[in-house]
Amino acid sequence: QSALTQPPSASGSPGQSVTISCTGTSSDVGGYNYVSWYQQHPGKAPKLMIYEVSKRPSGVPDRFSGSKSGNTASLTVSGLQAEDEADYYCSSYAASNNLVFGGGTKMTVL
Amino acid sequence: EVQLVESGGGSVQPGGSLRLSCAASGFSFSSHWMNWVRQAPGKGLEWVAYIKQDGSEKSYVDSAKGRFTISRDNAKNSLYLQMDSLRAEDMALYYCARGYCSGGRCYRSASDIWGQGTMVTVSS
Repeated sequence: QSALTQPPSASGSPGQSVTISCTGTSSDVGGYNYVSWYQQHPGKAPKLMIYEVSKRPSGVPDRFSGSKSGNTASLTVSGLQAEDEADYYCSSYAASNNLVFGGGTKMTVL
Repeated sequence: EVQLVESGGGSVQPGGSLRLSCAASGFSFSSHWMNWVRQAPGKGLEWVAYIKQDGSEKSYVDSAKGRFTISRDNAKNSLYLQMDSLRAEDMALYYCARGYCSGGRCYRSASDIWGQGTMVTVSS
């Protein structure tokens, strides 16, 4: 049950697009289409942004999109806005009926 | 209003026990997978355990196996986490989280409603 690998930080200017990667193995990200992404603002509970690799729950802006290639999933935030500044976490269903999170990426809007 | 409210956290010595509770309201609790997720101060999220809608399937992170027990009481709309043999590394904010349901499918792997968390401190 090793954590998924995310870059510790990412940044972009308002209006730009930023992509965060989430690398696992064939036992988690690569083996299942059950990757989720969460946004967490300081002192707040996480918010589900993406599920099943690329699906958005209702109410999540379409500026947020997800994808996967092999053992790496990605979250892209387009048209970056000040309120997108937060921590982002990926998670995946994993072999042996487990779930695993990534270490988190701090998104800064310059 | 759909909400989850955790309780039961506190300060305990290493080797001690705590029972966390999560009260659900505003939705059909028995229709959802439920998760416990923790976050150590200044650290990332870590999945702890999940339980199926009827309690027939449970799973734990390796570090919790044999020490933690997840359970639910659908009649009381409540989720529980019994934590025994607590260690310093268990110190964290513990969140209760609802498995997401959409289009007739319910997911253990995505959580759309989270509580505010209850803090567990393990220290001598």
